[in-house]
Amino acid sequence: EDQVTQSPEALRLQEGESSSLNCSYTVSGLRGLFWYRQDPGKGPEFLFTLYSAGEEKEKERLKATLTKKESFLHITAPKPEDSATYLCAVLKVGNQFYFGTGTSLTVIP
Amino acid sequence: GAVVSQHPSWVICKSGTSVKIECRSLDFQATTMFWYRQFPKQSLMLMATSNEGSKATYEQGVEKDKFLINHASLTLSTLTVTSAHPEDSSFYICSARESGRRNEKLFFGSGTQLSVL
Repeated sequence: EDQVTQSPEALRLQEGESSSLNCSYTVSGLRGLFWYRQDPGKGPEFLFTLYSAGEEKEKERLKATLTKKESFLHITAPKPEDSATYLCAVLKVGNQFYFGTGTSLTVIP
Repeated sequence: GAVVSQHPSWVICKSGTSVKIECRSLDFQATTMFWYRQFPKQSLMLMATSNEGSKATYEQGVEKDKFLINHASLTLSTLTVTSAHPEDSSFYICSARESGRRNEKLFFGSGTQLSVL
């Protein structure tokens, strides 16, 4: 069964405390894995697309990596403004998107 | 900057009325647009996939006659909630797909908060 699972559901970090969010997938025929940031009451904001195992992308304090089974979103020295829900989504051959349920990140000053 | 524009951001309507939500891709042509519904603290729930020039494909359990989708051009899709009822109150989000060789992107609109009284 095609599935995308994110963990943890919620994460509280002290400012400056680095950590990683996980997105595991069992989707066959991966065409791309997407990471988004969503603030309350807003639409998801695009962060990265990863296409193949071993690929990495960075943006400011965020770094996304991809393996054949999962993706990690590493947050280095987070700041309170990084608090948001982070969503991952997988696009498979056949053009179907599968979304995870998100990780709610809270960064405490 | 924002590449998908969604309007309105919020709307309050009386029960029984219809509400139209617009989704525009601003600087690319989107052959495929998607409509989602999101409840508080939950993930996105795909309602339908809209392909330019053809009928939308609805997910199981989504009423076609209640949620009318039109994708008349490569940059515009609309969702009309017909005869809205309080249980239709929700956050609706659209997305537009830009695709190419190793250039898959899915951009989201800013969402529409619908409140039906």
